[in-house]
Amino acid sequence: DTAVSQTPKYLVTQMGNDKSIKCEQNLGHDTMYWYKQDSKKFLKIMFSYNNKELIINETVPNRFSPKSPDKAHLNLHINSLELGDSAVYFCASSQDWQGTEAFFGQGTRLTVV
Amino acid sequence: DAKTTQPPSMDCAEGRAANLPCNHSTISGNEYVYWYRQIHSQGPQYIIHGLKNNETNEMASLIITEDRKSSTLILPHATLRDTAVYYCIVRKIAYSGAGSYQLTFGKGTKLSVIP
Repeated sequence: DTAVSQTPKYLVTQMGNDKSIKCEQNLGHDTMYWYKQDSKKFLKIMFSYNNKELIINETVPNRFSPKSPDKAHLNLHINSLELGDSAVYFCASSQDWQGTEAFFGQGTRLTVV
Repeated sequence: DAKTTQPPSMDCAEGRAANLPCNHSTISGNEYVYWYRQIHSQGPQYIIHGLKNNETNEMASLIITEDRKSSTLILPHATLRDTAVYYCIVRKIAYSGAGSYQLTFGKGTKLSVIP
């Protein structure tokens, strides 16, 4: 069983569209994250949720809205997609916000055309 | 978080030990050293972490200098599957607050294991 799973794996969409990426973890972890890896391969944290509460919100356009319906899920909704949003988005989880080890999903490659 | 400096790339012969250095000269007393790696097209994978003592697990060993200003990740017998980008990260420990307890990835070292 995949520990942290993201869907879809690939997403190609036009500018201006709204899209969502789903993430689920079956590890029983309390904390989940979204990271963005740009074309230069820099990996930066976007959001972190602990027990469905937002604890980290880096400087991210408010077109990006995370939603955590329960602690096993952290979905990322993006409004009015722009070319610059093209990247690989990784979901991750850890036991809690002090978690030693973060487990990452396989990533969602978003291409905005 | 303290910044880290790593060589951009390294080669290692298959079966030999891979020694990946990391400089973190501005590390503070409440920061751990973490290592993650990212194999092509996959999500990052945790390897090991330490505070000041040397650490070993089934994947690797972590050697931290006494002054904690640098460390070395050792893969004892590198295989082709170890080809990846290796990230050295310093991270505050828990009581610094949840908001600061995040992983900040740098550019890493691209390790190529050669047959």
